[in-house]
Amino acid sequence: GQQLNQSPQSMFIQEGEDVSMNCTSSSIFNTWLWYKQDPGEGPVLLIALYKAGELTSNGRLTAQFGITRKDSFLNISASIPSDVGIYFCAGPPLSGNQFYFGTGTSLTVIP
Amino acid sequence: DVKVTQSSRYLVKRTGEKVFLECVQDMDHENMFWYRQDPGLGLRLIYFSYDVKMKEKGDIPEGYSVSREKKERFSLILESASTNQTSMYLCASRRTGHLYNSPLHFGNGTRLTVT
Repeated sequence: GQQLNQSPQSMFIQEGEDVSMNCTSSSIFNTWLWYKQDPGEGPVLLIALYKAGELTSNGRLTAQFGITRKDSFLNISASIPSDVGIYFCAGPPLSGNQFYFGTGTSLTVIP
Repeated sequence: DVKVTQSSRYLVKRTGEKVFLECVQDMDHENMFWYRQDPGLGLRLIYFSYDVKMKEKGDIPEGYSVSREKKERFSLILESASTNQTSMYLCASRRTGHLYNSPLHFGNGTRLTVT
């Protein structure tokens, strides 16, 4: 099955720093989703992107749908301790009928 | 708000046991899914269901089966648990519609340990 590659795999940052992570695919996607999983919880949807080049914000989070439709980026500004968790990209490829998930980026914020 | 409830947060089972993981959603969603989550591998789809009594294999169905007798309930079955099935299991649901405007809603997961 399809797998999305996320990088970095893990990040350790100081509170207040900005964070960037990305997700790439070998196939074209027509939607990109970003989920966050808090420790001990299920993933929760953060942002959804629906067309190439789209830039969408949700508070301190900003995500972009790559022009090639094979990648997406998530930025978190001015990180805080509650940003800790695993971030997953996900989406349905153009020719698919199910969602595929990235390998995840684990974020640790040091107060 | 959509609520997806998994019956157990933690389970410990012995090799060879038959294991049932239960999932219930309260939003009348047609589609339900079972994923397993392993470090470095992300979420991998085991089985999904588009409607009652319907099921489709995902990417890693070997060693698993599912049951969808009622719309709100989707059960994952490990016929004979093995240690390589130790993992976090996540149930999800979504309403029917284009994949791009109907995202997945997840339960809190069941962490299964097979000894």
